[in-house]
Amino acid sequence: KQEVTQIPAALSVPEGENLVLNCSFTDSAIYNLQWFRQDPGKGLTSLLLIQSSQREQTSGRLNASLDKSSGRSTLYIAASQPGDSATYLCAVRLLSGGGADGLTFGKGTHLIIQP
Amino acid sequence: GAGVSQSPSNKVTEKGKDVELRCDPISGHTALYWYRQSLGQGLEFLIYFQGNSAPDKSGLPSDRFSAERTGGSVSTLTIQRTQQEDSAVYLCASSLADSSYEQYFGPGTRLTVT
Repeated sequence: KQEVTQIPAALSVPEGENLVLNCSFTDSAIYNLQWFRQDPGKGLTSLLLIQSSQREQTSGRLNASLDKSSGRSTLYIAASQPGDSATYLCAVRLLSGGGADGLTFGKGTHLIIQP
Repeated sequence: GAGVSQSPSNKVTEKGKDVELRCDPISGHTALYWYRQSLGQGLEFLIYFQGNSAPDKSGLPSDRFSAERTGGSVSTLTIQRTQQEDSAVYLCASSLADSSYEQYFGPGTRLTVT
């Protein structure tokens, strides 16, 4: 059974710092990996999706990398801002589902950016 | 265009009652997913639909849970004889059936069973 772990569970840093959130998964036979953010009381917003054949994806100040063989992904946030405060979730989709299957989520990293 | 919508946004019900949760996917998205988010449990995948069919219902927590999708669009998740442990946020997502299956989530329905 696929298990997804996110480290750290919580992180508080001053505004302007660069930071890295970590995600690891036990089954490397994944179809793709998706990073989301969740604001309190809200649904999930998709940030980046990395296909299994890709090594990284970038969107603005966000960069996500994928090392499928070691079962790891990182989300890099550059020049953090208070508006980045949220819970960040990593999720993987297994290859066996052919893409059309549910995601397995980590428990998230609760990020606070101090003004 | 409009995103995924869910109704109601909040539902408080008494133990033993049945509840029905609704999800309207993004127009044109053929795949639809239901998840449950409980305090301390994280996000749990329940079921997905490709068109109107659900190939695998094994993720549903018990036989009190059922889901259907009609017309390849709206889906309903029904919980019969609700229990307090059913209290959670129920999230719906949809995706195109393309190479990425990137999922887009609705705001969720917060269910409280008293």
